[in-house]
Amino acid sequence: SQQGEEDPQALSIQEGENATMNCSYKTSINNLQWYRQNSGRGLVHLILIRSNEREKHSGRLRVTLDTSKKSSSLLITASRAADTASYFCATEALIQGAQKLVFGQGTRLTINP
Amino acid sequence: KAGVTQTPRYLIKTRGQQVTLSCSPISGHRSVSWYQQTPGQGLQFLFEYFSETQRNKGNFPGRFSGRQFSNSRSEMNVSTLELGDSALYLCASSLMAAGKAFFGQGTRLTVV
Repeated sequence: SQQGEEDPQALSIQEGENATMNCSYKTSINNLQWYRQNSGRGLVHLILIRSNEREKHSGRLRVTLDTSKKSSSLLITASRAADTASYFCATEALIQGAQKLVFGQGTRLTINP
Repeated sequence: KAGVTQTPRYLIKTRGQQVTLSCSPISGHRSVSWYQQTPGQGLQFLFEYFSETQRNKGNFPGRFSGRQFSNSRSEMNVSTLELGDSALYLCASSLMAAGKAFFGQGTRLTVV
């Protein structure tokens, strides 16, 4: 099963509203990352938050991390039509002695004009 | 700095054929990972190469293989294609295995 699980699977809001997506994971991590994917394209890195950080901002993005609950949230404020995309959280997994990045199923965000 | 380049962008193959996909990472990145993305399964890890060595492999059959060259460029090969192999194949490069990943635009493979 996936290390990271996003919630909700799909989210539709009006332009200008805030969008919040959540991610839960299973094992201890060094960091957690969020990525965006426009339809059928590659993923774009948005933000990385380290395990000793609780909150991080980047422009209209705010990420929180609660290691005690093994969860993270991504908040996009003042949403725009261009924010329509799928958003993925990614965490590290140690498999067979090597680190790898494991992605959740993603949240599909639709911003309605 | 040039991004991650994947070729080809689109590919149509018939069942039973084989296919080779190519990925050129960002200059200086020695870690290259491959992912398969399908609507039903999401983003599934295929394998990761670092300095020409496969360090990690996902849960895929042996028909899926890859390699990395001395210039860090990587190829993945799928033999005896099945309809279920139709997917977007994404390559990502990074300085370290689980660090910030830079993705290519992907190769859309359709098996008919």
